[in-house]
Amino acid sequence: QVQLQQSGTELVKPASSVKISCKASGYTFTSNYMHWIRQQPGNGLEWIGWIYPGNGNTKYNQKFDGKATLTADKSSSTAYMQLSSLTSEDSAVYFCARLGSGDWGQGVMVTVSS
Amino acid sequence: DIVMTQTPSSQAVSAGEKVTMSCKSSQSLLYSENKKNYLAWYQQKPGQSPKLLISWASTRESGVPDRFIGSGSGTDFTLTISSVQAEDLAVYYCEQYYDTPYTFGAGTKLELK
Repeated sequence: QVQLQQSGTELVKPASSVKISCKASGYTFTSNYMHWIRQQPGNGLEWIGWIYPGNGNTKYNQKFDGKATLTADKSSSTAYMQLSSLTSEDSAVYFCARLGSGDWGQGVMVTVSS
Repeated sequence: DIVMTQTPSSQAVSAGEKVTMSCKSSQSLLYSENKKNYLAWYQQKPGQSPKLLISWASTRESGVPDRFIGSGSGTDFTLTISSVQAEDLAVYYCEQYYDTPYTFGAGTKLELK
């Protein structure tokens, strides 16, 4: 069955960067868009962008331009999202997902604190 | 960006009740070429990832109970739960995937009366 296994909780300092991962299994990684979604504490869902691992093409929500960078490693079927110049506003749970198929990772909580 | 507006923001319900919640988009989600509405409904319980219930406005995902019914077209959509069960207490989100950036409504929280 399809699984999206995300990396663990992150506690990071302001102004730093963090890279979280999403390991996919159970489907053809290179033929499906991988989306990333943010959920701030007590808030709704925001779409960050997608990557197409087959060719590395990306599409970002303009709001996250310069904040998020999406990459993918075909050899390990793993998608990555790097978040840079972190502030307290970036504290949130970040999900990877195959939106069209309804498959979501378990989410990674990122806390930005000194 | 397409703005998704969900109402009500919360609703207190009793088991067995029929529940309806609304989702309105700031522009039509109906693609004329294929006559499909690019609208999905999700259920999210505390500490869990969202679960896809309905896609294309009215197509129930495999394994989703038939008490969940999606309807609507264009800019106005409804999720109906025909007879609410205790396990349905959650937050429900609509999402448009007609155009990027994909956007979600703020959610409707179902609570116990």
